[in-house]
Amino acid sequence: QKEVEQDPGPLSVPEGAIVSLNCTYSNSAFQYFMWYRQYSRKGPELLMYTYSSGNKEDGRFTAQVDKSSKYISLFIRDSQPSDSATYLCAMSARSGYSTLTFGKGTMLLVSP
Amino acid sequence: NAGVTQTPKFHILKIGQSMTLQCTQDMNHNYMYWYRQDPGMGLKLIYYSVGAGITDKGEVPNGYNVSRSTTEDFPLRLELAAPSQTSVYFCASSSLFDNEQFFGPGTRLTVL
Repeated sequence: QKEVEQDPGPLSVPEGAIVSLNCTYSNSAFQYFMWYRQYSRKGPELLMYTYSSGNKEDGRFTAQVDKSSKYISLFIRDSQPSDSATYLCAMSARSGYSTLTFGKGTMLLVSP
Repeated sequence: NAGVTQTPKFHILKIGQSMTLQCTQDMNHNYMYWYRQDPGMGLKLIYYSVGAGITDKGEVPNGYNVSRSTTEDFPLRLELAAPSQTSVYFCASSSLFDNEQFFGPGTRLTVL
């Protein structure tokens, strides 16, 4: 079993849809969870950062962590064509210095 | 701040040649990383550094070397390039205090 699993997509939705992106993981030591957004031919940029279980909201984006199920989600409300990108989940066992374990990324396409 | 800069943006290398990918950050970050990204494969860690003079191998270090003589610079050296090293290379950096990694724009390398 891979350490982090993420459906590569592509996921195609119409503008205004609610999008759900997910990752599962196997390492119970992971406590810090991140979502990076990567536009085509660009470097990834941090979108959301959460610690342990629970929800975190930032504008149209909500990150959810369920450590008991080893499952994390990113919800995008009122999706826009500008949200079209690849979304990578990443996780780490500790704060400060730590290498991140990335999922393979899910490509999202939002059509106008 | 320019953040993380990488040069060159693109390069074509012949099999057996060597080259150095440059990475510089101006955020005074202690930690720096090199990743490669292949289509549908996510980000694989090649090497990382926790400070000047200290480097360590990541998941896929074979065929690469690094050095860290200053806080700002973290060059990646490819020796005897092989077609399997065709990829997009990203450099990243992070501070002592949290997991957020800041990525450069990437170098697209083709080995023919």
